[in-house]
Formats: sequence, C-alpha cells, structure tokens
Amino acid sequence: QVQLVQSGAEVKKPGASVKVSCKTSGYIFSNFYIHWVRQAPGQGLEWMGKINPSSGTTSYAQTFQGRATMTRDTSTSTVYMDLSGLRSDDTAVYYCARVPGVGTARFDYWGQGTLVTVSS
Amino acid sequence: QSVLTQPPSASGTPGQRVIISCSGSSSNIAGNPVTWYQQLPGTAPKLLIYSNNQRPSGVPDRFSGSKSGTSASLAISGLQSEDEADYYCAVSDDSLTVIFGGGTKLTVL
Repeated sequence: QVQLVQSGAEVKKPGASVKVSCKTSGYIFSNFYIHWVRQAPGQGLEWMGKINPSSGTTSYAQTFQGRATMTRDTSTSTVYMDLSGLRSDDTAVYYCARVPGVGTARFDYWGQGTLVTVSS
Repeated sequence: QSVLTQPPSASGTPGQRVIISCSGSSSNIAGNPVTWYQQLPGTAPKLLIYSNNQRPSGVPDRFSGSKSGTSASLAISGLQSEDEADYYCAVSDDSLTVIFGGGTKLTVL
C-alpha cells in the first residue's frame, strides 16, 4: 500500500535550519511529484513547493524562494525538505504529499505530518 | 488572505444539505481543475473531490463538487456529525503554483 512516512518532531532555535524527510513506499517513486504543505497552529494550509523525483527539478512558492530546498534520494525513495533561517512564524506542521503529475492539486496520499517548533 | 476565498465557517443540522463556496479568478479556478480536502482535527487533509466533481473511491456520494466560471462549490447532503471538520479548496494555477483556500470550519449543530 502507498505510504509516506515523515521524520519526527523537531525543536529549533531562530536562525537555525531544519531538514524533514518523507520516505515513500508502495508505488513507483519517479511517477509522482512530491509537494510540501505546511500548517501553522490554528491556521490554514500553505503550499511550499514541489519536486519531480524523476529529474530532481524543483519549484518553490515565492514565499519560500531562497529558504527552502527540496531534494530526493532515489535509492531510498525519500524526499527531503530543508528550511533555513527559521523564525518563530515557521512553527508549523509540515506535510509531504504526492500528486500524479503537473497542473493539478490532487494530493491523494499525505505523510502524517512533522511538527517543527521554532523557539529560543 | 488567500487568493481563493472561502467562508470561514458554515453550519447545519443532521440531515441537512450544506454548500461551501470557493471563489477565485480567471488565472486559477476558471481554467484549472478544483480539488477539495477534508481535515479532521489533528490529522492530515484527506482528498474529497478532484477534477471539480470526481470522488475518490471510498468517499461517500453525499459529497459532491461543482465549478462554474471562477467559482467552485462543495455540497454535503445528509449532513452527519462526523462531517464536522475543516474543508479546503485548492487549485494549481496557470503558473503551476498550488493555491489553497483559507478553509471553512463546518459545525454540525
């Protein structure tokens, strides 16, 4: 069965970086884009960007340009999201989700979410 | 403030029909398929409707979606207590950026 399993919760200080992993299984890794979406406490969903696991090509929301970096490891079918220059308003649950191609917001499977807390 | 506008709240009594709207523009909803998600407290969003009006397997036919011009709607008929959740619309716009609506909190009275 399709699974996206994310790494555990993180606590970081302002200015630090965090790297969240999303290990996929149960499907052909290269056939589905992986997107990252975050949700601050009590707030809505915010799209961060996406990676094509086949080519490694990435695209980021303007808000995260220069701060977020998405990579993948095809040998382990794992995608990573690195966010630098953390601020208190980066405190959120970060989700990975897969999409069957471009031009759609059809996230059919999601990771369980990773809480990142930024606090001094 | 999201580019896709949803009412912050909606409510209904068991058995009623509730409609949640999602208003966008010519560069997002008008030319692209709309997706809807249901999010229960403390859980990841769940795909509810894709391609404007398609239901994934396992989603009850009480849930239906529609789109007209720059707006889309999610209808829930035969409202049940377990439908109490947050609902989000989403679209991949003309520049292939994904946009979410601000979300609607549905209360079953």
